[in-house]
Parts: sequence; C-alpha cells; structure tokens
Amino acid sequence: AQKVTQAQTEISVVEKEDVTLDCVYETRDTTYYLFWYKQPPSGELVFLIRRNSFDEQNEISGRYSWNFQKSTSSFNFTITASQVVDSAVYFCALSVANRDDKIIFGKGTRLHILP
Amino acid sequence: DTAVSQTPKYLVTQMGNDKSIKCEQNLGHDTMYWYKQDSKKFLKIMFSYNNKELIINETVPNRFSPKSPDKAHLNLHINSLELGDSAVYFCASSQDESGRALWPEQYFGPGTRLTVT
Repeated sequence: AQKVTQAQTEISVVEKEDVTLDCVYETRDTTYYLFWYKQPPSGELVFLIRRNSFDEQNEISGRYSWNFQKSTSSFNFTITASQVVDSAVYFCALSVANRDDKIIFGKGTRLHILP
Repeated sequence: DTAVSQTPKYLVTQMGNDKSIKCEQNLGHDTMYWYKQDSKKFLKIMFSYNNKELIINETVPNRFSPKSPDKAHLNLHINSLELGDSAVYFCASSQDESGRALWPEQYFGPGTRLTVT
C-alpha cells in the first residue's frame, strides 16, 4: 500500500531561520511521482513541485529546495531564510500510476514563521 | 483571471438538505477532481473526471454525485446532508489526456467550506 508520512505536525521557527519539512513515503512501485503543495491561511492549495522516481537530482527554486533520496524514501523540503509569508500548511503527496492512479496526501505540516 | 473557481465559497445548511457546489476551470484542462479536506486537514480524493467521463470514484456515500456538463465544469451535488459532511471541498484540474495518471500537477480552486448544522 502507498503511504505518505509527514511526522512533523507543527513547526515554529523565527524569521530568517532555515527549516526543513520531512516527508517519508511508502510504495512498492518503481514509477511514481512526489509532490509538495502549500496551503496558506487563506485556504487555497498551491502546487510547488513534482518529481518523478527516476530523477533523484535535488532541486532549488529560490529559497526553496527539495532533497529526494530513494534510499531512505524521503522527499524533504527546505526553506532557506524563512519569511512570515511562508507560514502555511505544507502537504507532501505521492502518485503511483499503476495503483488506481490515486494521489495520496500526507497529513500536512503546519509551519509558523515568527517575526 | 481565476484558473479554477468554485462557488459558493461558504455554504451553511441544515441536515437533510440537498446542495450543490460548482466548479469551473478556464485552463483548458482535460481532467477535473473533487477533494474533501476534513477538520484535521486531511485531503482525500473523491472523484475525477476526464472529458466528462468518470475515472475515479472513491468510496464516498452515493449521496455525493458529480456532474460534468462539459470538460470545463465539474459540479458536486450532495443529497440528504449529514453533520459529517462538514468539510472544505476542493475542486482541481490538470492537463492529463488519459484521466488516469495523476502525476500532472493539479491546480486547485479556492475551496468551499461546507457547514452542516
């Protein structure tokens, strides 16, 4: 069965600190996709990134970076020099093409950036 | 321009009523979805439609019925509302011709907060 675990329910850091959100996934399939979505206090869901299982290259986008490690089944998300606007709930998700084609979300990590 | 829109944004109603939530996307996407987010923020897919055809139909009560008049619209009808239906419902769309591969990124609507009293 597929599963996404975000062990950190809630994190608080002071502005300008770096913070890493953990995501551990489970699947027996070799072809899958991983996602991160952001849900700010306003409630909408914003797509951040998608990675496929064959591309373990880490990605950086501005202050955001993602570390994909198949050996540990992790897809962690780091925000560098955090800002108050980064305060949100962040969801990690997994999609496996061969298993009912569902996307499975983790329970989310609520991130508070304190001024 | 709003990419994925939902109406209404808030919906308060009494148990037993029938209500609908509308969703429209102007992205030209082929696939649309409905998700339910409960009070603990857990997101779960309910349905997906590809070009007006139902692709995914998760285990949801049959009081929930999606209706897709065209590929830009996917409405959610809920009959005989119950207290447990209170949640935020998100519509989403993605550019996926098959409707079966959920790996394309999805664009979400703003959500509809449904409160059943």
